[in-house]
Amino acid sequence: DGGITQSPKYLFRKEGQNVTLSCEQNLNHDAMYWYRQDPGQGLRLIYYSQIVNDFQKGDIAEGYSVSREKKESFPLTVTSAQKNPTAFYLCASRRLLAGGAHTYNEQFFGPGTRLTVL
Amino acid sequence: KNQVEQSPQSLIILEGKNCTLQCNYTVSPFSNLRWYKQDTGRGPVSLTIMTFSENTKSNGRYTATLDADTKQSSLHITASQLSDSASYICVVSPRNVYNQGGKLIFGQGTELSVKP
Repeated sequence: DGGITQSPKYLFRKEGQNVTLSCEQNLNHDAMYWYRQDPGQGLRLIYYSQIVNDFQKGDIAEGYSVSREKKESFPLTVTSAQKNPTAFYLCASRRLLAGGAHTYNEQFFGPGTRLTVL
Repeated sequence: KNQVEQSPQSLIILEGKNCTLQCNYTVSPFSNLRWYKQDTGRGPVSLTIMTFSENTKSNGRYTATLDADTKQSSLHITASQLSDSASYICVVSPRNVYNQGGKLIFGQGTELSVKP
């Protein structure tokens, strides 16, 4: 899990509620990401941020919002507009390694938050 | 469309046996391919990473191979242990990914179960 922490580990939401998932990293990484993982599917990108105060939508951003006020923190809010929020949410951060002509884009993942709608 | 497909979807083997997991991708051009191990309820952890010019990469009992011509990769696990039970995810990074925000293309994973 490296230096990325996510909290809480388990989260329960009632219908119509907004909830916020925390992601913190002490790796001094510039970029941070939020993914959603559902059984039998690959990870899908929700939002990402390459620098403070800037972020972009991923492939499934509807019903989610983020902020990036600090380099170390990238919280994700699951709004009531997200119709099927029950899933495992993973946060990741990225470092960039230059390897001669090749550039690695290593992402490190946090331990995840499992969100369940009651 | 950039896609990564893994097979089999799930696999059960006996402790001590070897196994091979497959990954086919259509991402082009691509920068690198990596294999992650994800224990149940945990985040993925990187096992190997290969650029398009590399054919093989080892990490202990894990050996990944890459054939860029056929766009196939495999992960071979030798002398399996109970702790190898996990989901193994193939991930491809499109080239120039830095300019694209670092997006990765994930396979759906192979669920490996090692039985005593």
